[in-house]
Amino acid sequence: KNQVEQSPQSLIILEGKNCTLQCNYTVSPFSNLRWYKQDTGRGPVSLTIMTFSENTKSNGRYTATLDADTKQSSLHITASQLSDSASYICVVSADNNNDMRFGAGTRLTVKP
Amino acid sequence: DAMVIQNPRYQVTQFGKPVTLSCSQTLNHNVMYWYQQKSSQAPKLLFHYYDKDFNNEADTPDNFQSRRPNTSFCFLDIRSPGLGDAAMYLCATRRGPGVQETQYFGPGTRLLVL
Repeated sequence: KNQVEQSPQSLIILEGKNCTLQCNYTVSPFSNLRWYKQDTGRGPVSLTIMTFSENTKSNGRYTATLDADTKQSSLHITASQLSDSASYICVVSADNNNDMRFGAGTRLTVKP
Repeated sequence: DAMVIQNPRYQVTQFGKPVTLSCSQTLNHNVMYWYQQKSSQAPKLLFHYYDKDFNNEADTPDNFQSRRPNTSFCFLDIRSPGLGDAAMYLCATRRGPGVQETQYFGPGTRLLVL
């Protein structure tokens, strides 16, 4: 059973619009949560990383939030660009940090 | 500048014919990982090295082997590829186990089994 669930599976938005991607997890004990962007045919690239004590982290137009109590995270993309079209993967690490659980990703398509 | 390099980017092999995928890194990281990623699925960890220590995931088939001859290089050997092994294979590195340490992924090798 996958311990990291992402929603929606796919999303289409118009260029310039904002969107929010969700990640719910049951991984325990929790160590950290990362969001990655994966372009088609490429390896994932790290966007943000948050530990238990952090509830928000920004990287340019990307803002991740974390609620460790409800075990939920979101990735908010502001003023989307065509280059934001990619899969966004949520990865949650357990306490030993080598046990990383990957979500299946949200496929985002930004249309002009 | 490429930091995690995977060769080849695309590999075609025949059913049952051994194939080796390679990964090299210029980051001098201690930890190297191999993942298998099938279409629209999350990457699945096959194994990882912490320095020379090899850690195999419990559900990684025996068909998959790995070698890490030195810090910079790591190889994935598929002894007898089946049709179900067609996937993207991702190599990743990390400096160490620290909580804030980021994983750096290579571009992947897409394997096609005929």
